[in-house]
Amino acid sequence: NAGVTQTPKFQVLKTGQSMTLQCAQDMNHNSMYWYRQDPGMGLRLIYYSASEGTTDKGEVPNGYNVSRLNKREFSLRLESAAPSQTSVYFCAIRLDRGFITSYEQYFGPGTRLTVT
Amino acid sequence: AQSVTQLDSHVSVSEGTPVLLRCNYSSSYSPSLFWYVQHPNKGLQLLLKYTSAATLVKGINGFEAEFKKSETSFHLTKPSAHMSDAAEYFCVVSDTQDSSYKLIFGSGTRLLVRP
Repeated sequence: NAGVTQTPKFQVLKTGQSMTLQCAQDMNHNSMYWYRQDPGMGLRLIYYSASEGTTDKGEVPNGYNVSRLNKREFSLRLESAAPSQTSVYFCAIRLDRGFITSYEQYFGPGTRLTVT
Repeated sequence: AQSVTQLDSHVSVSEGTPVLLRCNYSSSYSPSLFWYVQHPNKGLQLLLKYTSAATLVKGINGFEAEFKKSETSFHLTKPSAHMSDAAEYFCVVSDTQDSSYKLIFGSGTRLLVRP
C-alpha cells in the first residue's frame, strides 16, 4: 500500500475519548475518502474530500469530523468515541487520470479501532 | 441509486478447481465495476475493473470477470484456485452520477481454498 499511509495501525479507546486518524498520500491526487469496514457489510463511506479545503458527508458521517488542510493529508476525528465506532477504517484516494474520469480508488492499509 | 449484491457470503473450493464468485449490480447508468481482494488483516487490492471497454476483463493472478448488461452481472472467475487465493472479495460499483465518485461495496464473499 505504498503511496497512502495511515496512522496509527491499531488503537484502543475508552468510551468518550477522542482521537484523530491520520491519512497521507504521496501520489498527488485530489480526491480522498474515509471508509469504515464492519463484518458482513463491506465498506461504507464516512466522508470524502474532492480537493484541498473541501469536505462532504458520505453515507455514515454521524460521530465523525474530517479535515483536509492540504492536498496531501486527510484526517478523521472522533470527538467522543462510542462502542459502535469499533471498526476498521480505510483511507483511499481516487486515481486522477487527467482528462479521463477515473473511478478507481487506491486504499491505505487501514486502522483497526476498538472502543470499550 | 446504485447497489451491489454478492450472492454468496462464503465459497469453498478445492485447490486446482475453478472459482466462481457471483455479483449482481443495480445501476441506472453505465457503471464502472471493480473487484477488490482483501487478504486477512490486510488492505484492499484492486483485482480488475470494467470501464465500458471490453466486456471480458482480465485482472491480476489469473482472475477475470465478464460484464453482462442483460443480466446485470459481473461474476469473477478463475480456472484453477491456488491456496494463496483464500481471501475476501468485494464487488464494487462506482456512482458515476454522483460528483463524489464514491464506491459502493457489496458485502463481500469469503473464498476458502481446501488443499
